Amino acid sequence: QSDLTQPRSVSASPGQSVTISCTGTSSDVGGYNFVSWYQQHPGKAPKFMIYDVSKRPSGVPDRFSGSKSGNTASLTISGLQAEDEADYYCCSYAGSYNNYVFGTGTKVTVL
Amino acid sequence: QITLKESGPPLVKPTQTLTLTCTFSGFSLSTSGVGVGWIRQPPGKALEWFALIYWDDDKRYSPSLKSRLTITKDTSKNQVVLTMTNVDPVDTATYYCAHKYSSYFDYWGQGILVIVSS
Repeated sequence: QSDLTQPRSVSASPGQSVTISCTGTSSDVGGYNFVSWYQQHPGKAPKFMIYDVSKRPSGVPDRFSGSKSGNTASLTISGLQAEDEADYYCCSYAGSYNNYVFGTGTKVTVL
Repeated sequence: QITLKESGPPLVKPTQTLTLTCTFSGFSLSTSGVGVGWIRQPPGKALEWFALIYWDDDKRYSPSLKSRLTITKDTSKNQVVLTMTNVDPVDTATYYCAHKYSSYFDYWGQGILVIVSS
């Protein structure tokens, strides 16, 4: 089972928006609406940000939104803030054999 | 409030067996739908899911590591134990345990760095 593919890095100025893609296959991202996203600051544990493609847990700002089209899921951060600078990982359920697969990770830089 | 904490040796030698314990509070691993997963992250690299145990003792492993892994739970102690046999330097990573509900990992431990070196 291969990792889900994410861009290595994206960047934007404060107040702008960035979108991170997460490309898999019909066996994972495309086959289930079970994509989640995690934010990780350096030296810290991942933080749960989005689940079931587009749902936000309580406490996550509504600047963070998720979507999916075919085999590609996306995370959009609107109104970028300095504290959003971190690594972001997608994760998808991949069936009863592979279970869960994470993305390659994307570094978001706030210029 | 859900918390999890990983414990184990910070250094193991190649070919040895690694045993990691996840001690948690704020939930019960006998509650329907709940699971505890293990995810690791080599230095500077991406997250990798590799093991999961559910409330009903259903166990899941990454196919690439399955032959080397055993996951168990002790509900009375609120602990999940993971053993990995025949470790190699490529197993050097920060190991995280996480609470799983439905399709996601919503609470994570702080992680433990394990170095495999002679």
